[in-house]
Amino acid sequence: AQKVTQAQTEISVVEKEDVTLDCVYETRDTTYYLFWYKQPPSGELVFLIRRNSFDEQNEISGRYSWNFQKSTSSFNFTITASQVVDSAVYFCALSGAETQGGSEKLVFGKGTKLTVNP
Amino acid sequence: DADVTQTPRNRITKTGKRIMLECSQTKGHDRMYWYRQDPGLGLRLIYYSFDVKDINKGEISDGYSVSRQAQAKFSLSLESAIPNQTALYFCATSDWGLGGKYFGPGTRLTVT
Repeated sequence: AQKVTQAQTEISVVEKEDVTLDCVYETRDTTYYLFWYKQPPSGELVFLIRRNSFDEQNEISGRYSWNFQKSTSSFNFTITASQVVDSAVYFCALSGAETQGGSEKLVFGKGTKLTVNP
Repeated sequence: DADVTQTPRNRITKTGKRIMLECSQTKGHDRMYWYRQDPGLGLRLIYYSFDVKDINKGEISDGYSVSRQAQAKFSLSLESAIPNQTALYFCATSDWGLGGKYFGPGTRLTVT
């Protein structure tokens, strides 16, 4: 069975601090996708990144960066120089390969609530 | 305009009432999904549809039904609402091969 664990339930930082959100996943699929979503207080789900299992290159997008390590089944998300607007719940999610029979149901972690204080 | 829209955005209803949540998308995707979000539980899949003739149950389909009226429309019904169906409901779409999901803005449903 597929599973995503976000061990950090809540994190609180002061503006300009760097913060890393952890995500550990379990799957028996050899091809899978990993995602991060942001849910601000307004409630919508904002897609941040998709990474497939064959691409272990780290990715940077502005203040956001992601570290994918298959050896530890982790896909961690770092926000550099955090801002108040980064305050949100962040979800890590996993989707198995569609060719492996219906595993494309996105499995979500329970989320990490990030509060950035001014 | 938003790619995935949901109506209503907020709804309060009474126990035992039938209610329908509607979802429309302009992305041209074949695949559509209904998720439910509860505090501390993350998102859970209720139903999904790969095309108009293909409807599948998710992990928590009891008490819900769906209708895929067209490629662009996917409705979720609660036949007889109960208080523990109070939650935030999301519709989502995806295209073949990417595995990603584009989410609607959510419908906040309260059953009293």
